[in-house]
Amino acid sequence: DADVTQTPRNRITKTGKRIMLECSQTKGHDRMYWYRQDPGLGLRLIYYSFDVKDINKGEISDGYSVSRQAQAKFSLSLESAIPNQTALYFCATSDLGNGHSGANVLTFGAGSRLTVL
Amino acid sequence: AQSVTQPDIHITVSEGASLELRCNYSYGATPYLFWYVQSPGQGLQLLLKYFSGDTLVQGIKGFEAEFKRSQSSFNLRKPSVHWSDAAEYFCAVGRGNTGFQKLVFGTGTRLLVSP
Repeated sequence: DADVTQTPRNRITKTGKRIMLECSQTKGHDRMYWYRQDPGLGLRLIYYSFDVKDINKGEISDGYSVSRQAQAKFSLSLESAIPNQTALYFCATSDLGNGHSGANVLTFGAGSRLTVL
Repeated sequence: AQSVTQPDIHITVSEGASLELRCNYSYGATPYLFWYVQSPGQGLQLLLKYFSGDTLVQGIKGFEAEFKRSQSSFNLRKPSVHWSDAAEYFCAVGRGNTGFQKLVFGTGTRLLVSP
């Protein structure tokens, strides 16, 4: 099984519908993230969470909400989907990044492709 | 605010030839620097990272990158490309403190490998 699992992998929906993308991890990491990938724009951070009681907005949080149901689960919701939210969404996790390395290394899921018509 | 520039959208390299992917960053302090690779239908995988110390860092799959502070660059290199290296490559810069850095990704470079 994958370390970071995203469901669904593909979803087509209509404008105005509520959509939830789910992410679960077996890495035991405390930190979880949602990114959006658009062609020519790279990855942009939507939300991140340090633990179940800590949720932080990223650079493009408008139109999105998240829920950290447990250490291993982090879901992304689009309350009323619109066409410009059509994108590839990635969940990622990281550990505390402490020690000499100090670097915040991300482990990514395989992505959820969302199309909003 | 920090930013990352990957000036090449696409690069085509012959199998067996050398590769260099460019990455320039803008950040006031010493950055945390990363290269990730995304194969088709897959998530991103870390190739290598730079935090401090030796400016030439080795990564997985035979890749290396060199941090050049004077040029604000962190270019990715491989001496001999294999067909399986065809993928999209992302440079990222992290700002913050030891233990956590919020990453900013470049727009990516798609590598095509010709026979």
